[in-house]
Amino acid sequence: GAVVSQHPSRVICKSGTSVKIECRSLDFQATTMFWYRQFPKQSLMLMATSNEGSKATYEQGVEKDKFLINHASLTLSTLTVTSAHPEDSSFYICSAGDRVIYGYTFGSGTRLTVV
Amino acid sequence: QKEVEQDPGPLSVPEGAIVSLNCTYSNSAFQYFMWYRQYSRKGPELLMYTYSSGNKEDGRFTAQVDKSSKYISLFIRDSQPSDSATYLCAFNTDKLIFGTGTRLQVFP
Repeated sequence: GAVVSQHPSRVICKSGTSVKIECRSLDFQATTMFWYRQFPKQSLMLMATSNEGSKATYEQGVEKDKFLINHASLTLSTLTVTSAHPEDSSFYICSAGDRVIYGYTFGSGTRLTVV
Repeated sequence: QKEVEQDPGPLSVPEGAIVSLNCTYSNSAFQYFMWYRQYSRKGPELLMYTYSSGNKEDGRFTAQVDKSSKYISLFIRDSQPSDSATYLCAFNTDKLIFGTGTRLQVFP
């Protein structure tokens, strides 16, 4: 089946630094990837839709300058949290797929802690 | 009215019980209905998807959709401790809309 690899699984960074999270589709080409954020005991909140070769589409309320998304190839999308602050600490998850009717495959998530 | 409503639980049941998880939705444009399972600190995994009213079975899992009532359910038969997880309903537009998730605990 489709596999999405997400790295790192856990990262701790200092306030003010930037962190990059990678999302790779291992055995399929993903024209679209999605980035979610999840707070403890809450559902997934879609942050942005990443389209290969074009700019990402951000959901309302998500700062595009803070959460930089790059989808440079059909198998890789990256999310960079710039100038991270403690309130950015969260669980970030990517998903990828070609057709929503099959359901998207999710990465294993990245737990970001900003200290 | 929220687009998707899901009882957050938690739901605690003994091993072997039948579990019923439910979601209601308000958007008539939803065409595909999915259930995801998420273990703690992991990404969600797709359990089942369907696009028509009625039942769809896969092993111990049955997904039920009632489009007229805008109501979907996931039934788990013979529940096992390994089923303990958060279950999220999801619906499509050009992206997935998730319910808040129901935490399920199956105790031995």
